[in-house]
Amino acid sequence: QTVVTQEPSFSVSPGGTVTLTCGLSSGSVSTGYYPSWYQQTPGQAPRTLIYSTNTRSSGVPDRFSGSILGNKAALTITGAQADDESDYYCVLYMGGGIYVFGTGTKVTVL
Amino acid sequence: QVTLKESGPALLKPTQTLTLTCTFSGFSLSTSGVRVSWIRQPPGKALEWLARIDWDDDEFYSTSLKTRLTISKDTPKNQVVLTMTNIDPVDTATYYCARVHSSGHSFDYWGQGILVTVSS
Repeated sequence: QTVVTQEPSFSVSPGGTVTLTCGLSSGSVSTGYYPSWYQQTPGQAPRTLIYSTNTRSSGVPDRFSGSILGNKAALTITGAQADDESDYYCVLYMGGGIYVFGTGTKVTVL
Repeated sequence: QVTLKESGPALLKPTQTLTLTCTFSGFSLSTSGVRVSWIRQPPGKALEWLARIDWDDDEFYSTSLKTRLTISKDTPKNQVVLTMTNIDPVDTATYYCARVHSSGHSFDYWGQGILVTVSS
């Protein structure tokens, strides 16, 4: 079974930069998995941030950026703000209509 | 404006069948390339993709839950229905429906979610 791994938690200072990663239990993440990223605050539905590796969804601030770093997908928050404190999930498209969510990363801004 | 909203029972007993409805607006499943998925999230845990249905009636399921899930659509009513058989307390979760991005590879619009609790 495919497992998509993310760091459990990260802490970042206001104005700081943090990079979250999204890896595969076996193998490398490439653009061919079309990684996407979602932000979720407690009690709320996820919000789409990034799709197809590095395309920002409409209305998403440009302090959020997506990339491939080494063998993982990455989400970088540059100039973190207090309301960026959330859970972040990546999704990899495995082909054949199948999607796998990552384990999620809790980001604290303090 | 695209909106999706989930509806269904809040509480079920083990072994029952769960039926959830996603009612959407702002798009149509009669349009080529349109797809809708179901995703769930147990309390305090990660999101999990469940199923997808496409404009052309193609259906796709999570490998681990495939034998228990059925996804269907009622195009004139703008609805997608998910049924899950033989439910268990571990199926307690918030269930979301989401529109799949036109690329087919991600989700762009999400419903608010519905919490379903399974308990005897």
